[in-house]
Amino acid sequence: DAKTTQPPSMDCAEGRAANLPCNHSTISGNEYVYWYRQIHSQGPQYIIHGLKNNETNEMASLIITEDRKSSTLILPHATLRDTAVYYCIARNAGNNRKLIWGLGTSLAVNP
Amino acid sequence: GAVVSQHPSWVICKSGTSVKIECRSLDFQATTMFWYRQFPKQSLMLMATSNEGSKATYEQGVEKDKFLINHASLTLSTLTVTSAHPEDSSFYICSAKTERVARTEAFFGQGTRLTVV
Repeated sequence: DAKTTQPPSMDCAEGRAANLPCNHSTISGNEYVYWYRQIHSQGPQYIIHGLKNNETNEMASLIITEDRKSSTLILPHATLRDTAVYYCIARNAGNNRKLIWGLGTSLAVNP
Repeated sequence: GAVVSQHPSWVICKSGTSVKIECRSLDFQATTMFWYRQFPKQSLMLMATSNEGSKATYEQGVEKDKFLINHASLTLSTLTVTSAHPEDSSFYICSAKTERVARTEAFFGQGTRLTVV
């Protein structure tokens, strides 16, 4: 599975959009980009995933560059409850493929 | 949908005793479950992968005789930390994947904070 690189920390003002970048320059054609987040002392929560098209759901939007070497997770209107560590993972979608976790980006949403 | 329940959410035990943690998929059948351990300010480290009805596959460096995993049904997996020691104190997290091909993401339990005194 491709290695991903994320900034260790980011700040965002409450109500503003939070844009979290992720580099995955060695991603292969059949690897998806998954985003999870982990609020302090809780289990990770799935946010969104995509292959090459941009995706949007009730939680966030995922923008993947045309060359698929990077992506951005967008929280359109960040709230204090979005303060968490956000993980970007590139992985083949096969059922038994494990997730390789990096250190993620610690997002602090400030009032 | 796709809820994973982990129990207990926290436990304190004496050194030398064993602790069992349960992981249940509440509204789907999970053919594969994963167990992770997370130390403070560190990322999740995969301990083992278990498939229903078969022996778990442990990651390198994880003692299979110390961390017993049972995945007896499609909705339940258990992790037993045997002869726990203070260095086993950690945050243990399970995740489960549905067998439905369209759902490729994993779903996670709330985690179990184990403190060994």
